[in-house]
Amino acid sequence: QQQVKQSPQSLIVQKGGISIINCAYENTAFDYFPWYQQFPGKGPALLIAIRPDVSEKKEGRFTISFNKSAKQFSLHIMDSQPGDSATYFCAASSTLRGANNLFFGTGTRLTVIP
Amino acid sequence: NAGVTQTPKFQVLKTGQSMTLQCAQDMNHEYMSWYRQDPGMGLRLIHYSVGAGITDQGEVPNGYNVSRSTTEDFPLRLLSAAPSQTSVYFCASGSGGVNTEAFFGQGTRLTVV
Repeated sequence: QQQVKQSPQSLIVQKGGISIINCAYENTAFDYFPWYQQFPGKGPALLIAIRPDVSEKKEGRFTISFNKSAKQFSLHIMDSQPGDSATYFCAASSTLRGANNLFFGTGTRLTVIP
Repeated sequence: NAGVTQTPKFQVLKTGQSMTLQCAQDMNHEYMSWYRQDPGMGLRLIHYSVGAGITDQGEVPNGYNVSRSTTEDFPLRLLSAAPSQTSVYFCASGSGGVNTEAFFGQGTRLTVV
């Protein structure tokens, strides 16, 4: 059973456009929601993370929007660039279980066309 | 700055063989973990450790053993490899506290034939 559901599976965006990836969860014990970026042949790397006491977090062109009541969160990539082409994973964990014990979504392969 | 180092990068095993995937980190992290990545399934936690001498099971522990004798090393053992264990394996480490990042290695691509 997938604890974190992620969509879409793949996404193609023109350079300069906005990329949006959505995730949903059920376990209300989750209190840490990171996004990881993975390039082919590499391990995932933390991109940005949020805790449920805020509704939005922005770092450069990357923004997480968080809706606690709907148990949903999303990643927005503004002004998407070809270098952003990668696979993106949302994840969730609970402090009680150990913040590094992550449940991952199934991933979104983003392609940014020049 | 080595970070998290996994060896080997690639491995082919025959069904029934055993092997150990190595993981070492040089960041003095207490927390270490193993994930497997399969197409369409994301990454799933196999085993984790919150410090030397302490290990616990994750989501998919069957067929795998771990031990943690030092802070730096966290090997993953496959006792009798099965084709279902064909996957890419990632080791990660972190301080394990609130708002902390998990650092991943480069992965080991394992094929069991």
